[in-house]
Amino acid sequence: NAGVMQNPRHLVRRRGQEARLRCSPMKGHSHVYWYRQLPEEGLKFMVYLQKENIIDESGMPKERFSAEFPKEGPSILRIQQVVRGDSAAYFCASSPNLDSSYEQYFGPGTRLTVT
Amino acid sequence: KQEVTQIPAALSVPEGENLVLNCSFTDSAIYNLQWFRQDPGKGLTSLLLIQSSQREQTSGRLNASLDKSSGRSTLYIAASQPGDSATYLCAVKGNTPLVFGKGTRLSVIA
Repeated sequence: NAGVMQNPRHLVRRRGQEARLRCSPMKGHSHVYWYRQLPEEGLKFMVYLQKENIIDESGMPKERFSAEFPKEGPSILRIQQVVRGDSAAYFCASSPNLDSSYEQYFGPGTRLTVT
Repeated sequence: KQEVTQIPAALSVPEGENLVLNCSFTDSAIYNLQWFRQDPGKGLTSLLLIQSSQREQTSGRLNASLDKSSGRSTLYIAASQPGDSATYLCAVKGNTPLVFGKGTRLSVIA
């Protein structure tokens, strides 16, 4: 049973380009969470999605960032017109259902560098 | 708003020593608390999950305790080894998504 998978593991983009980060949850998990870890900072929640629905996007910047989790395929975190401040590690986690007592399982992260 | 604090920010100990990492949180209305390990440039490895109804969890040389009423958790590492060197993160789950502390960076010196 594969764990949470993220790709790419490393992504380099120039300022103004678009970044697309992918997350495949663990088998049987229908809930996906995205977190961002800025250099020397703790992980911060960005967005929580269920299949085809955004449940909570309170931690996601209002502009340039979007997320989706389609019925088929991985969850996508999209950052448009990237800026140097977007350079960070982006982690995805999944859980089997809505029960808050369930553990979240984390992927290896995507390290985005904006040049 | 939930806030999680981890003390100390960094810790260096000789191999073989027992040590305690501390985590405190401001809102005691939590469902669970997780301790993670993060190696440099790597992802998160879940170490222990304590449900709000539990007082402690053990896994090998690791023991985590939870005192929900006082908003505190400790991670006890017995007989530390150089391979334990990493950043240890504490995260709490309440009605909001997981809230993380900034971590304790542990170095175990051989």
